[in-house]
Amino acid sequence: DAGVTQSPTHLIKTRGQHVTLRCSPISGHKSVSWYQQVLGQGPQFIFQYYEKEERGRGNFPDRFSARQFPNYSSELNVNALLLGDSALYLCASRTGGGRNTEAFFGQGTRLTVV
Amino acid sequence: GDSVTQMEGPVTLSEEACLTINCTYTATGYPSLFWYVQYPGEGLQLLLKATKADDKGSNKGFEATYRKETTSFHLEKGSVQVSDSAVYFCALHAGNNRKLIWGLGTSLAVNP
Repeated sequence: DAGVTQSPTHLIKTRGQHVTLRCSPISGHKSVSWYQQVLGQGPQFIFQYYEKEERGRGNFPDRFSARQFPNYSSELNVNALLLGDSALYLCASRTGGGRNTEAFFGQGTRLTVV
Repeated sequence: GDSVTQMEGPVTLSEEACLTINCTYTATGYPSLFWYVQYPGEGLQLLLKATKADDKGSNKGFEATYRKETTSFHLEKGSVQVSDSAVYFCALHAGNNRKLIWGLGTSLAVNP
């Protein structure tokens, strides 16, 4: 069974550019969450989507946006990139929105902004 | 607000030594508690979890007990191996919250 897949695995962007990160959840999982993990720190919550609706948003600027498609895959978009956006972006999928359900993480997308 | 505090690393141990990584939390209600592990070059993996007070999660020789009275969820292993070298994250998921709240992570290096 395929796990959570994220693409691309690595990318380098220039300040001011825009980036789109993609995530395919485990088959049957309807909830997708996005996290940002800066080197040496724990993940920080960005968004959660469940059944194609935004169910949670972390403390990130409006430059960050996301959406979930009918097949439950998801995109995270970041506009006007800053150097401080350099991080590992993690996608997690869960069967539902309940607190006891395990979150399965993808390998992440390593974004470097130069 | 909800938060997780875990002991700072890095932690360096010899093979077969005992491990304890402390984790305490602040949360409203009755959160579920998790330990995730991140091996070098890999993504986050759930190591163990506990969903109510006095529950003990266990996996791969690791254990953690949900202590509501001390708001703690310390990770323990009696005999570590070189393959346990990784970064360990304590996290919680509160009832009405849609997100996992994470500690800063504790890096563990086990030497042969």
